[in-house]
Amino acid sequence: EPEVTQTPSHQVTQMGQEVILRCVPISNHLYFYWYRQILGQKVEFLVSFYNNEISEKSEIFDDQFSVERPDGSNFTLKIRSTKLEDSAMYFCASSAQGDQYFGPGTRLTVL
Amino acid sequence: GQQLNQSPQSMFIQEGEDVSMNCTSSSIFNTWLWYKQDPGEGPVLLIALYKAGELTSNGRLTAQFGITRKDSFLNISASIPSDVGIYFCAGHSAGGTSYGKLTFGQGTILTVHP
Repeated sequence: EPEVTQTPSHQVTQMGQEVILRCVPISNHLYFYWYRQILGQKVEFLVSFYNNEISEKSEIFDDQFSVERPDGSNFTLKIRSTKLEDSAMYFCASSAQGDQYFGPGTRLTVL
Repeated sequence: GQQLNQSPQSMFIQEGEDVSMNCTSSSIFNTWLWYKQDPGEGPVLLIALYKAGELTSNGRLTAQFGITRKDSFLNISASIPSDVGIYFCAGHSAGGTSYGKLTFGQGTILTVHP
């Protein structure tokens, strides 16, 4: 069964450093998303992406964040200068229609 | 912004019992999704609902899209220990060619005692 994959599973970084989180969405899906989940809290929307451009973004997704689909399979989230409060699980999701399938997540720890 | 209220926050039940949880929204949704999340893992899609009044089953799970389009419930029948986890409702109000952001409920923590 097709699934969304994410790498790395865990990323530890120093405050102020740049990180790139990678995702491979399900191959025939056209809509891609990033969400985050701070420990013990609910999942929060960051950004949606369709047809090689951002469809919608939340207040969390400020100028420090960017997304890219560099080739036909990968979808990346970049945080330019990480802050302590960026520590969270980051989930990629993709959809063909109304449902969204999530990857296993990347745990980002900012020290 | 859109708010989803999910209840109960937690449930402690005996194996074999039925479980019910629900979500209510401050605004209309076009799609309701129910997910299960195990610790340290991503949400796994259980059931997707697309029409008001729709009742859908997936094994021992049954979910309904409320007529008002502002609520949904999930039932689990004859619970087993592996049902343990956090259950989230999520919805979005996108339409047409836009499949928009999901708003998530706070989650229901389910504990099943053997």
